[in-house]
Amino acid sequence: DTEVTQTPKHLVMGMTNKKSLKCEQHMGHRAMYWYKQKAKKPPELMFVYSYEKLSINESVPSRFSPECPNSSLLNLHLHALQPEDSALYLCASSQVSSEQYFGPGTRLTVT
Amino acid sequence: DQQVKQNSPSLSVQEGRISILNCDYTNSMFDYFLWYKKYPAEGPTFLISISSIKDKNEDGRFTVFLNKSAKHLSLHIVPSQPGDSAVYFCAARTDVQGAQKLVFGQGTRLTINP
Repeated sequence: DTEVTQTPKHLVMGMTNKKSLKCEQHMGHRAMYWYKQKAKKPPELMFVYSYEKLSINESVPSRFSPECPNSSLLNLHLHALQPEDSALYLCASSQVSSEQYFGPGTRLTVT
Repeated sequence: DQQVKQNSPSLSVQEGRISILNCDYTNSMFDYFLWYKKYPAEGPTFLISISSIKDKNEDGRFTVFLNKSAKHLSLHIVPSQPGDSAVYFCAARTDVQGAQKLVFGQGTRLTINP
């Protein structure tokens, strides 16, 4: 099983809503990542979890709150987002020093 | 400050010929370089990687070359097939506080013409 799954596939939310994105992998990977990708741009790293501990936060605004409940799951909690936060949110996982495998992404639209 | 650059936004190649995608980087601390392929509405798919201590890595139709002195790498696809049409991202890796960080180039859209 080399799959990273993400739910939901699409999400539309208002600026006052609270929602969560979910990511799951069953490859035994101990590192998990959140990326943001805007149209015609490369993925940009947001957060890295290594052994379920937050290792890297790329100065992401606090309206994005990551959570790693266990080694297979990664959540991204969203609150009070802005329209400019609309993007494709990608989750990835890897062994700690190996290539990253990406999920299909959640297309987020903030209205 | 763009640490990883792909200067060609697009490339068009005839089916059966060689496709060469290029990537330049500025940070000497990168220890691994990777190529990802991306179709619309999908996440990037890992293709091939190379360690900074090597100069070539081959996997089937895909070969990556690294020139450390020039801080340049390239991906060769031969022979090119229509299914290779996608956006290709070059990525460079550093280790930050025991976790790996990938920096991506802007991507090159490859179109294989029949």
